[in-house]
Amino acid sequence: DADVTQTPRNRITKTGKRIMLECSQTKGHDRMYWYRQDPGLGLRLIYYSFDVKDINKGEISDGYSVSRQAQAKFSLSLESAIPNQTALYFCATMDDAYEQYFGPGTRLTVT
Amino acid sequence: SQKIEQNSEALNIQEGKTATLTCNYTNYSPAYLQWYRQDPGRGPVFLLLIRENEKEKRKERLKVTFDTTLKQSLFHITASQPADSATYLCALDRTGGGNKLTFGTGTQLKVEL
Repeated sequence: DADVTQTPRNRITKTGKRIMLECSQTKGHDRMYWYRQDPGLGLRLIYYSFDVKDINKGEISDGYSVSRQAQAKFSLSLESAIPNQTALYFCATMDDAYEQYFGPGTRLTVT
Repeated sequence: SQKIEQNSEALNIQEGKTATLTCNYTNYSPAYLQWYRQDPGRGPVFLLLIRENEKEKRKERLKVTFDTTLKQSLFHITASQPADSATYLCALDRTGGGNKLTFGTGTQLKVEL
């Protein structure tokens, strides 16, 4: 089984809808991250969490919120989706050696 | 803010040759620098980490150098194989705490027979 899983893998939604992307990990890491990837812009950090009670904004947090339900679960929400949030979203964990382990990604399209 | 530059043009090389990819950064010197491999439609996979006080790191056919004076890291793959074809991402952490990560846009490597 994969160490970092993301659901859904693909999602098409309409402008204004609320959507949640979920991430689960079995690696036992405290640090978890949400990134988005756009062509030509690379990976950009949305939010990160160092434990259940420690959640921080990243470079591009506007329009997004997160919830750390447990050490193993970190969800990303788009309260009111807009077309420029169309992107590939990745969840990642980090171990004590600062190595990151990425999930398979969620391809989100907002029409 | 931290900026990272990786060559946006694809690098095409012949099998068996050494591939060299470049990562240049501006502003702050990072506490450490990482290289990741990304295949189409998949998440990045960690390859190597090099700290600011290290000049070179090796892992099997991979070698990374770090020059804080030039603000540059070089990533080498020796005896390249078609299976090495992928996009390679450079990432920097300014503070070393895992909370100030910045990724480059990556360079696509194509290894031809």
